[in-house]
Amino acid sequence: EDQVTQSPEALRLQEGESSSLNCSYTVSGLRGLFWYRQDPGKGPEFLFTLYSAGEEKEKERLKATLTKKESFLHITAPKPEDSATYLCAVQISGNTPLVFGKGTRLSVIA
Amino acid sequence: KAGVTQTPRYLIKTRGQQVTLSCSPISGHRSVSWYQQTPGQGLQFLFEYFSETQRNKGNFPGRFSGRQFSNSRSEMNVSTLELGDSALYLCASSLQGLEQYFGPGTRLTVT
Repeated sequence: EDQVTQSPEALRLQEGESSSLNCSYTVSGLRGLFWYRQDPGKGPEFLFTLYSAGEEKEKERLKATLTKKESFLHITAPKPEDSATYLCAVQISGNTPLVFGKGTRLSVIA
Repeated sequence: KAGVTQTPRYLIKTRGQQVTLSCSPISGHRSVSWYQQTPGQGLQFLFEYFSETQRNKGNFPGRFSGRQFSNSRSEMNVSTLELGDSALYLCASSLQGLEQYFGPGTRLTVT
């Protein structure tokens, strides 16, 4: 069964303290891996798409990387406004639905 | 470009009632997917419509149904509501089913 596991479940950082979130997947063929940010009571906001191992994408303080079995979302010098739940999703080949992980709840304390 | 819109934003229903939720995708997007989000289960896929045809279906009972209109707008219906149907229902649109853009969701509370 295709699975997506995110770790840690929750992460508390001091402002400026860099860290990484992990998304590991067991799928039989990856078409794309997606990162989303979700604020409480709102819909997920699209961040990145990664298609192949070795690929990297950056946006402000966030950088996403992809290997054959996992993806990392690196957060450099986070600010309190980066506090949110970060979701990872994968799509296998074809027009199959996204499979989401349970998310990592990030809290950045000033 | 306007984003995905969902109506209503909040809904309170009683067990046994039915409910219809609406989603308007980003202009030009032909794929609409629906998800149920709960604290315990996370985001669970309900179904996807593409050009008015259901292309994928998740593992939900037949009480959950949907449709898509020729203008790509979509509705989902839940009949005979149960307490466990209380959740945030999210709609997402995409051009071809890859990068999905989510709406704000409809918060459904069943009492």
